[in-house]
Amino acid sequence: DTGVSQNPRHKITKRGQNVTFRCDPISEHNRLYWYRQTLGQGPEFLTYFQNEAQLEKSRLLSDRFSAERPKGSFSTLEIQRTEQGDSAMYLCASTKGGTVGYGYTFGSGTRLTVV
Amino acid sequence: SQQGEEDPQALSIQEGENATMNCSYKTSINNLQWYRQNSGRGLVHLILIRSNEREKHSGRLRVTLDTSKKSSSLLITASRAADTASYFCASSLSMDTGRRALTFGSGTRLQVQP
Repeated sequence: DTGVSQNPRHKITKRGQNVTFRCDPISEHNRLYWYRQTLGQGPEFLTYFQNEAQLEKSRLLSDRFSAERPKGSFSTLEIQRTEQGDSAMYLCASTKGGTVGYGYTFGSGTRLTVV
Repeated sequence: SQQGEEDPQALSIQEGENATMNCSYKTSINNLQWYRQNSGRGLVHLILIRSNEREKHSGRLRVTLDTSKKSSSLLITASRAADTASYFCASSLSMDTGRRALTFGSGTRLQVQP
C-alpha cells in the first residue's frame, strides 16, 4: 500500500473556473477527511466521510465547495467559481474508524493557486 | 477557531540540544496527537496520547498530557538537522463535544542548526 494519494499535486486556475481534486485513501481506512492549509497556519477542517456518508461539514465549506466519496473509496473535492481566497494547500487524510482513536495518514496535498 | 495553540511559534536550536514544544487546547478531548510537516509536504503522524495517559515515549520523542491544565508538550531529545520541520498538535474532541475530526493548532516551526 502506497499511502494516501492526491491528484493533482499542483493546480493553477483562473478566477471563476471550477476545479476538482481527487484523493485515494488507504484501502482499509473507512474514514476520510479534507483539510485546507494556508501558509504558516495549521490545517483547517473542511469535511469528513465515514465510508460513503458525509458526516460533517465545516462552516468553511461554502456552497461553492462540494465533496463526494462514492462507494466509500476515493473522494473528490470540487470548488466552483474559484476565488483568489481559495488559494491554499488542500490536504486529504484517512484513518481507521472506531472509538479508540488512530493517527491520520495524510496525502502530500494539492496546492491550488487561483490567479 | 483553532482548538489547539502551540508555543513557541518558532524555535531555533543547535544540533544535539533538546526541543520542547507546548500545546494548549480548550475543551475535553478523547486523545491528542502530534504531527510533523516538512515544507510543502503533507503531515506525518508522530504520536498519539489518550486522555487517560499522562506520558508517552516513542524513540527520541516524549509527549506529556495534563488534562487538568488542558495542555500537552512534545520533547525531541538530541535533535538533528533532519528534525527541522513544523510540528502541530491536534486534538480529538470527546464524543459528547461534537466534532470527530482532528482540530489542529497553528504549529511550531523548529529549526535545528547543524
